[in-house]
Amino acid sequence: ILNVEQSPQSLHVQEGDSTNFTCSFPSSNFYALHWYRWETAKSPEALFVMTLNGDEKKKGRISATLNTKEGYSYLYIKGSQPEDSATYLCASFTGGFKTIFGAGTRLFVKA
Amino acid sequence: NAGVTQTPKFQVLKTGQSMTLQCAQDMNHNSMYWYRQDPGMGLRLIYYSASEGTTDKGEVPNGYNVSRLNKREFSLRLESAAPSQTSVYFCANSDSYGYTFGSGTRLTVV
Repeated sequence: ILNVEQSPQSLHVQEGDSTNFTCSFPSSNFYALHWYRWETAKSPEALFVMTLNGDEKKKGRISATLNTKEGYSYLYIKGSQPEDSATYLCASFTGGFKTIFGAGTRLFVKA
Repeated sequence: NAGVTQTPKFQVLKTGQSMTLQCAQDMNHNSMYWYRQDPGMGLRLIYYSASEGTTDKGEVPNGYNVSRLNKREFSLRLESAAPSQTSVYFCANSDSYGYTFGSGTRLTVV
């Protein structure tokens, strides 16, 4: 079983702070890296699907980068808002129907 | 709204009881999945279905069975529930844009 590691496990920031967290994944047999936003009592929602080394994706104040050679992705949130409070999941798709999910980074944004 | 619908949202079972979790999609995707979510762990794949009429085991299939009778529906059955199956269960489908998940079923086995 390939492991996807996310750090930190949780993060507390103040409104307006910018923040980032890391997803580490095995660089062998890489097909795609997914990021999801998961609010409490809801289901995960897709943010980004990234496939190419050096990929950068952006959606509003949230952006992500990908390094497939060293096996990591960063998710950045600029000017955090209370509504950004959620768990952010990453997942490594290695082909076929094999997607390995990380345990997530839980973000708390205090107003 | 297009998406994945799963029922029930909550269920309490006694050890040894059986139940079926229902899942339906209206997105016309071939691939459907059942995952379980446990504290401190990533989503773990129980079973998946690449297309109508086919199913395959995932990472944690023991104690579960599935059925994909048509393209729209993919059900998960617990034949004899055990406390270790206490978890939150998610049904999902996928395309090149990622996974779409149902709202989850919180199952407690006592």
